[in-house]
Amino acid sequence: QVQLVESGGGVVQPGRSLRLSCAASGFSFSNFGMHWVRQAPGKGLEWVSVTSSDGSVKYYADSVKGRFTISRDNSKNTLYLQMNSVRAEDTAVYHCARIRYSKSYPDYWGLGTLVTVSS
Amino acid sequence: DIQMTQSPSTLSASVGDRVTITCRASQSINIWLAWYQQKPGKAPKFLIYDASSLESGVPSRFSGSGSGTEFTLTISSLQPDDFATYSCQQYNSYPYTFGQGTKLEIK
Repeated sequence: QVQLVESGGGVVQPGRSLRLSCAASGFSFSNFGMHWVRQAPGKGLEWVSVTSSDGSVKYYADSVKGRFTISRDNSKNTLYLQMNSVRAEDTAVYHCARIRYSKSYPDYWGLGTLVTVSS
Repeated sequence: DIQMTQSPSTLSASVGDRVTITCRASQSINIWLAWYQQKPGKAPKFLIYDASSLESGVPSRFSGSGSGTEFTLTISSLQPDDFATYSCQQYNSYPYTFGQGTKLEIK
């Protein structure tokens, strides 16, 4: 079955960096685009970034553009989110999600990893 | 960016009730809308795509409708497992945006 397991969250000081990982299993990872979506405490879901199956196409939310970088290693079945210059408003649970094959919407989601930005 | 507005923010209902949640887009998104169910500490569960297509395995009491700018999610007869938060998402154009969520509570 499809499994997505995020890791790498924790407490980080404002202005510092953090890299999140999403380990995928149960499907052919290299054939699927992937999203990162976050949810701040008590707030709704917020789309963060997306990458195509081969990593050649990437989009970002304005709130993270220039600070976050999405990437993937298809040989390791792993998706990444490099978070630089983090801010208090980046505090959230970060979910990775698989894009339905040949579609645009996320179908399977991971449980998420909590990032807390605090001094 | 396309804004997605859900209503109500909170909905109190009883088992067996029929409930409807509305999602409005700030501009036309055709039928490119999905609905998700989320429970505390769990991953969002994908329910509906293309505004009205039910994902495999999702109970038939869930249905979606709409096109353009106005969409609805209806649960025909609430079951205990349905009490959760429901969110819509447009995938017409990037940045993909979500509604703020509707929390469905037990009355």
